[in-house]
Amino acid sequence: DAGVTQSPTHLIKTRGQQVTLRCSPKSGHDTVSWYQQALGQGPQFIFQYYEEEERQRGNFPDRFSGHQFPNYSSELNVNALLLGDSALYLCASSSGLGYSPLHFGNGTRLTVT
Amino acid sequence: AQSVTQLDSHVSVSEGTPVLLRCNYSSSYSPSLFWYVQHPNKGLQLLLKYTSAATLVKGINGFEAEFKKSETSFHLTKPSAHMSDAAEYFCVVTPPLGNQGGKLIFGQGTELSVKP
Repeated sequence: DAGVTQSPTHLIKTRGQQVTLRCSPKSGHDTVSWYQQALGQGPQFIFQYYEEEERQRGNFPDRFSGHQFPNYSSELNVNALLLGDSALYLCASSSGLGYSPLHFGNGTRLTVT
Repeated sequence: AQSVTQLDSHVSVSEGTPVLLRCNYSSSYSPSLFWYVQHPNKGLQLLLKYTSAATLVKGINGFEAEFKKSETSFHLTKPSAHMSDAAEYFCVVTPPLGNQGGKLIFGQGTELSVKP
């Protein structure tokens, strides 16, 4: 039973570029949430997708956008990258919109130079 | 507003000695509380959760936590530390259901070091 998988594991981009990160949820899960974890900090909620719609959003600018596909997988897109976007991006999956436990992937380490 | 404060950014213990990682929360309602662990270059793993049932919650790997409403605390303990326990630990609180479903609020984390 595969858990949450994220790709790529590491990524280096230049300021101003755009990036797409991908996530496949744990088998049986239909909800995907994205978190940003800056170095030395706790993860911060970016947004959550359920039934291919963004359901909740944290305090992140519109440069951060996402998508969920019919197979429940998800993408996180970040436009006009800033140095401050360098972080570990974590995807978490769960079942439904309640508080079923989140299962996290190992993350994508994004470095913006 | 809800928030969570981890009182120690770093805790160091010797192998075989007890572990105490402290967490206080503030909330206008009765939240669900969790502890997650993150090993280097890994994602987060759920250790245990409190959801208004028993106030003493047992988790994986010998960890447990006690919910104390009067003290607004949810401290994580383990009787005897193992080298493999060295990791970052996060105390987590949920926002009100129906308003922020699925969103978790993380503390800043406590790095646990275990000395041989």
